Amino acid sequence: EAGVTQFPSHSVIEKGQTVTLRCDPISGHDNLYWYRRVMGKEIKFLLHFVKESKQDESGMPNNRFLAERTGGTYSTLKVQPAELEDSGVYFCASSQDAGPFANTGELFFGEGSRLTVL
Amino acid sequence: AQSVTQPDIHITVSEGASLELRCNYSYGATPYLFWYVQSPGQGLQLLLKYFSGDTLVQGIKGFEAEFKRSQSSFNLRKPSVHWSDAAEYFCAVGPYNTDKLIFGTGTRLQVFP
Repeated sequence: EAGVTQFPSHSVIEKGQTVTLRCDPISGHDNLYWYRRVMGKEIKFLLHFVKESKQDESGMPNNRFLAERTGGTYSTLKVQPAELEDSGVYFCASSQDAGPFANTGELFFGEGSRLTVL
Repeated sequence: AQSVTQPDIHITVSEGASLELRCNYSYGATPYLFWYVQSPGQGLQLLLKYFSGDTLVQGIKGFEAEFKRSQSSFNLRKPSVHWSDAAEYFCAVGPYNTDKLIFGTGTRLQVFP
């Protein structure tokens, strides 16, 4: 069974450009999460989808970030226009029925997409 | 506000030595606690989690962690480290009323032969 896949693995763009990150969760997983790790800092929650609906987007930094999950399958995270402080590693995770707090639930993370804004 | 502190940014141990990675959390109630590991080229993988009950939790790869409420700690331990344990380790707390994790800054483990 394929794990959570993220694309691209690394993206280098100039300030002001647009980047779109993609996440393919494990098939059948309704819950999809985006997290971000800025260099040397903690991994921070961005948002949570349940199927195609945004359950919690309290961690989105500002309106330059747009996340979508059309059809409840893969998700995209677009940054437009990118700023220097957006550099970091963006992680996607998915889980089947409930989040990490169910006794049987587990979050499966992708390898992350590294974004470098110059 | 909830937070997680991992005071050690980088730890180096010899293969076969014991290991303890520190984690302290700040949270008003009994939290859900997790340890994740990220090996090179891999995604984060769950090592173990604590929800309730026995305060000593066994995980995968021979790791264990102990929840100590009085110290607000959830330290990760392994009696004998293998070279393949070289990775970055993240402690996380899960607030009761949300479905998101709050991570620490991570501890990078280097293992020398």
